Amino acid sequence: SQELEQSPQSLIVQEGKNLTINCTSSKTLYGLYWYKQKYGEGLIFLMMLQKGGEEKSHEKITAKLDEKKQQSSLHITASQPSHAGIYLCGADNTGTASKLTFGTGTRLQVTL
Amino acid sequence: DVKVTQSSRYLVKRTGEKVFLECVQDMDHENMFWYRQDPGLGLRLIYFSYDVKMKEKGDIPEGYSVSREKKERFSLILESASTNQTSMYLCASRRTGTINYGYTFGSGTRLTVV
Repeated sequence: SQELEQSPQSLIVQEGKNLTINCTSSKTLYGLYWYKQKYGEGLIFLMMLQKGGEEKSHEKITAKLDEKKQQSSLHITASQPSHAGIYLCGADNTGTASKLTFGTGTRLQVTL
Repeated sequence: DVKVTQSSRYLVKRTGEKVFLECVQDMDHENMFWYRQDPGLGLRLIYFSYDVKMKEKGDIPEGYSVSREKKERFSLILESASTNQTSMYLCASRRTGTINYGYTFGSGTRLTVV
């Protein structure tokens, strides 16, 4: 199965600062999904990237997939306490999203 | 909105007990999944089901079984619970062929085996 590595494992940023989380795959990604998890709860879908070079934004969160389709980054601009949680990337290695493999997650804390 | 409901948020069971974790979705999704989440290991797929009465092993099926008798319900069974099955269990569902929206997850069941 496809291996996904996320970095950093944890992150503490001051409110208002920007941050970036990376997700790297050892194989070509057919689809890359970003999720956010509040502590002790389920995962909330953020966005999905499919094409090399693709970039999507939702409010202050922007995700990109590189041209080679092996790395994705999630960028948060002007972080807020509401951004705190665990961010996970999920990889589709079938082209049909019939089975997703997840990274280990990045724990984000936002301090006042 | 699709809702995926897991029957219990917290569960404490004894070693050797048979444990049932229930998951119900209300949007007629064909595909359903069970993951477990552990610190440092992320989400790992236990079992999944493409449709009623169908099941496929995921990456870590040992010690688990599943049941999908109705489309909306996917049950995870721990035949004889052990302490190394203490974990957060997450159920998810999706409609076949929809790649743009990912999976919809339940809120999770935190199982402790003592």
